[in-house]
Amino acid sequence: AQKVTQTQTSISVMEKTTVTMDCVYETQDSSYFLFWYKQTASGEIVFLIRQDSYKKENATVGHYSLNFQKPKSSIGLIITATQIEDSAVYFCAMRENYAQGLTFGLGTRVSVFP
Amino acid sequence: EAGVTQSPRYAVLQEGQAVSFWCDPISGHDTLYWYQQPRDQGPQLLVYFRDEAVIDNSQLPSDRFSAVRPKGTNSTLKIQSAKQGDTATYLCASSPGTTSAETLYFGSGTRLTVL
Repeated sequence: AQKVTQTQTSISVMEKTTVTMDCVYETQDSSYFLFWYKQTASGEIVFLIRQDSYKKENATVGHYSLNFQKPKSSIGLIITATQIEDSAVYFCAMRENYAQGLTFGLGTRVSVFP
Repeated sequence: EAGVTQSPRYAVLQEGQAVSFWCDPISGHDTLYWYQQPRDQGPQLLVYFRDEAVIDNSQLPSDRFSAVRPKGTNSTLKIQSAKQGDTATYLCASSPGTTSAETLYFGSGTRLTVL
């Protein structure tokens, strides 16, 4: 069964700096997909970035990038040049195969201060 | 393109009352999910459909919960005899339903409080 763990409850950073948050996962499958989502204060959940397990290159989208360490079953999210609007809860999620829905971690709350 | 629409936005009940949540997915999305998100936790899958068929409802908390998607478009999640432990945000999501790599698109959710 798939499992996702986010151990950091909250992180505070200054604007324009870099924030890194951790996520480890458990799976028995050799092929799987890892996702990061952002939940804003209004409750809206938005997809940010995805990593396919068979790809060695770390995914990058805008100022979001991933640190995929497959041997450690780890997928960290890196946000560079943070902005106030990046303040939100970030969820790591995974899917082993199409027959399953996404499994989410507990989330990490990021607060960006001016 | 319209996003996933959910209603109502909020619901407040006394224990023992029933409540229904409605979801209209993105047009053309075959797969529809219902998630429960307790306060300060991540979304937890309750049930999901492909077209009108239930693919997995094993995570529905009890027989007090039921979900339908009769025509493969809109869906209703119902809680009969609500309990305080059901207090959470109920999220609907949809996806095109073609590959494992696809992302989910979430609605704004229904925030349920059971007193």
